[in-house]
Amino acid sequence: DTGVSQNPRHKITKRGQNVTFRCDPISEHNRLYWYRQTLGQGPEFLTYFQNEAQLEKSRLLSDRFSAERPKGSFSTLEIQRTEQGDSAMYLCASSQSGGVSSYNEQFFGPGTRLTVL
Amino acid sequence: GENVEQHPSTLSVQEGDSAVIKCTYSDSASNYFPWYKQELGKRPQLIIDIRSNVGEKKDQRIAVTLNKTAKHFSLHITETQPEDSAVYFCAASIRGTGNQFYFGTGTSLTVIP
Repeated sequence: DTGVSQNPRHKITKRGQNVTFRCDPISEHNRLYWYRQTLGQGPEFLTYFQNEAQLEKSRLLSDRFSAERPKGSFSTLEIQRTEQGDSAMYLCASSQSGGVSSYNEQFFGPGTRLTVL
Repeated sequence: GENVEQHPSTLSVQEGDSAVIKCTYSDSASNYFPWYKQELGKRPQLIIDIRSNVGEKKDQRIAVTLNKTAKHFSLHITETQPEDSAVYFCAASIRGTGNQFYFGTGTSLTVIP
């Protein structure tokens, strides 16, 4: 499977615990995005990386959230001291920037569904 | 930031009829508008997109139109089939920035056989 992969697919945790998700983008893609999707809503942008640099963070990304992409390949999203309001589907997407026709189609992973009890 | 509104939130059509979903955006700098289809429990998948220098694009039974002046764009599905049933999201982004997508709230389309 050469698409975007995410692990774990499901995570149930208790309020106050820390969780970490992983995203493996399509190998030649230099951009990686994290989105959050709650029931009945469209995905909301959280942050994105170009190679290993985190270039933008949404105001939705509180101090409890941190993302890394240490070698410009896979990325991790960590949520510290989880709250019930963090329950959502966390989607990762990747794209390739640059080029004549690069309007940057983003390819999405299957998501990690987080449930905070 | 960009604000994308999408209507209707739910849509039911008879098989073979057409379906139209409409979106508006707020930032006149937005210049790329993809549409994603998300089936239950699955990842969003791109079905069609349009750039701001084009007014209409068609791919078999699917077409998208863009009115830059009015800042709205629409998805048209003709000859609908049961397998078209899914949630459809429109999005807008600005090329040259991070290209993050701003999504609408989605339209749940049901095609009744």
